[in-house]
Amino acid sequence: KAGVTQTPRYLIKTRGQQVTLSCSPISGHRSVSWYQQTPGQGLQFLFEYFSETQRNKGNFPGRFSGRQFSNSRSEMNVSTLELGDSALYLCASSPDPGLPSLQYFGPGTRLLVL
Amino acid sequence: QQQVKQSPQSLIVQKGGISIINCAYENTAFDYFPWYQQFPGKGPALLIAIRPDVSEKKEGRFTISFNKSAKQFSLHIMDSQPGDSATYFCAASMRIGGSYIPTFGRGTSLIVHP
Repeated sequence: KAGVTQTPRYLIKTRGQQVTLSCSPISGHRSVSWYQQTPGQGLQFLFEYFSETQRNKGNFPGRFSGRQFSNSRSEMNVSTLELGDSALYLCASSPDPGLPSLQYFGPGTRLLVL
Repeated sequence: QQQVKQSPQSLIVQKGGISIINCAYENTAFDYFPWYQQFPGKGPALLIAIRPDVSEKKEGRFTISFNKSAKQFSLHIMDSQPGDSATYFCAASMRIGGSYIPTFGRGTSLIVHP
């Protein structure tokens, strides 16, 4: 079974631009969560989607948004990029949000904002 | 406010030794405590997890010890191997609306010398 895939793997943007990252969950997984990983703040929860609905959101500004499609694939968008948005963005999927032991992470998208 | 404090930040152990990483949390609403292992260029992978009604859980060379009254938990890696060299994250998860939302520690970089 293929794992969680994230595209692109690497991305360079400039301040003020916007970016869209994509996540394809493991087949059969309907819950997708996004995380930001930086050296300064560590791993932080961004938001979680299940059945195309955002169920929970972390403490991030409104510039960070996401959505989930009917095939469970998910995208996250960051508008008006800031230097501090440079990070590894991780996506994780699980069959159900109530089954954290079955959550698997993708390899991440590394975003560099110049 | 750092809700999950992890120590040490880095750890060097000889092959065959015991690696011990500690975490402390503040919010008693947390009810699921996973540990993750992350290799460079990869996403975190769930290693082992425990719930607060259990004081210890062992899976192979990995053991979690949990002290509910002290709000502390630790990961013990027995017979540490060079292949265990990675970054380890503890997390404390809270169930919100049927989903488990994690708060992560800052991570411990483990190096096991051959």
